[in-house]
Amino acid sequence: EAGVTQFPSHSVIEKGQTVTLRCDPISGHDNLYWYRRVMGKEIKFLLHFVKESKQDESGMPNNRFLAERTGGTYSTLKVQPAELEDSGVYFCASSPLTGTNTGELFFGEGSRLTVL
Amino acid sequence: AQKVTQAQTEISVVEKEDVTLDCVYETRDTTYYLFWYKQPPSGELVFLIRRNSFDEQNEISGRYSWNFQKSTSSFNFTITASQVVDSAVYFCALPRQGTGFQKLVFGTGTRLLVSP
Repeated sequence: EAGVTQFPSHSVIEKGQTVTLRCDPISGHDNLYWYRRVMGKEIKFLLHFVKESKQDESGMPNNRFLAERTGGTYSTLKVQPAELEDSGVYFCASSPLTGTNTGELFFGEGSRLTVL
Repeated sequence: AQKVTQAQTEISVVEKEDVTLDCVYETRDTTYYLFWYKQPPSGELVFLIRRNSFDEQNEISGRYSWNFQKSTSSFNFTITASQVVDSAVYFCALPRQGTGFQKLVFGTGTRLLVSP
C-alpha cells in the first residue's frame, strides 16, 4: 500500500512568486492534515480536511496560504505570494475517520520550501 | 495553551549505550493523549506510541520504553542498547486543547546520533 506522497520534495523560489505543494494521502483516508516546520522550530499544525471539507484552518498563518482538497482525494497548498518567512518543510499527514482510527497519523516525507 | 518542551536539542551516543529523551508538557485538559514520533533521514514522521493520560503504567516495546509521570508532566522515552538505525529526530507531541488526538502540538525535537 502506497504511503502519503508529497510533491515536490524541494522547491526554491524567489520572494513574491507562487508555489503549489501537493499531497496524495493514503487511499481511503478521509482525514488530511497539513503541518509546517520552520527551521529548528516545532512542527505546527496548519489545517485539517475531512474529505473535501475544511474542518479547521486555524493554524494557517495568513491569507497568502490557500489549501484545497479536490473531491476529497489529493490536496494542494498554494502560497501566493511567497515571503521569506514561508521557508520551511511542509508536511502532509492522513488518517482514517474515527472508528478505525488508532490515533496514528501517517506522514509524508515533506516538501521543503526555500524562499530567496 | 498546550506546550511541549524537549530541552535536549541533540544527543550523541555510541552504539549499545542506553539513551533517554526527555519530554515535558503543559496542558489544561484533564484527559489527554501523548505521542512520540520518529523522523528518520528519509524525512517522514513515523508514529511510535500513543499514551492515554488515564494510564500511567510504563510501556515497553522491544528496546523502546516510555516513562509517563503525570505528577511531573513528563513523558520520557528510553532506547536501550541503541543502534545506528536509531539515529533520527524524535518528536514528542500532544493534541491541541479540546481537539481529540490528531491536531498535534509538537516539541522542537531531539536529534539522536548513534555512532558505531
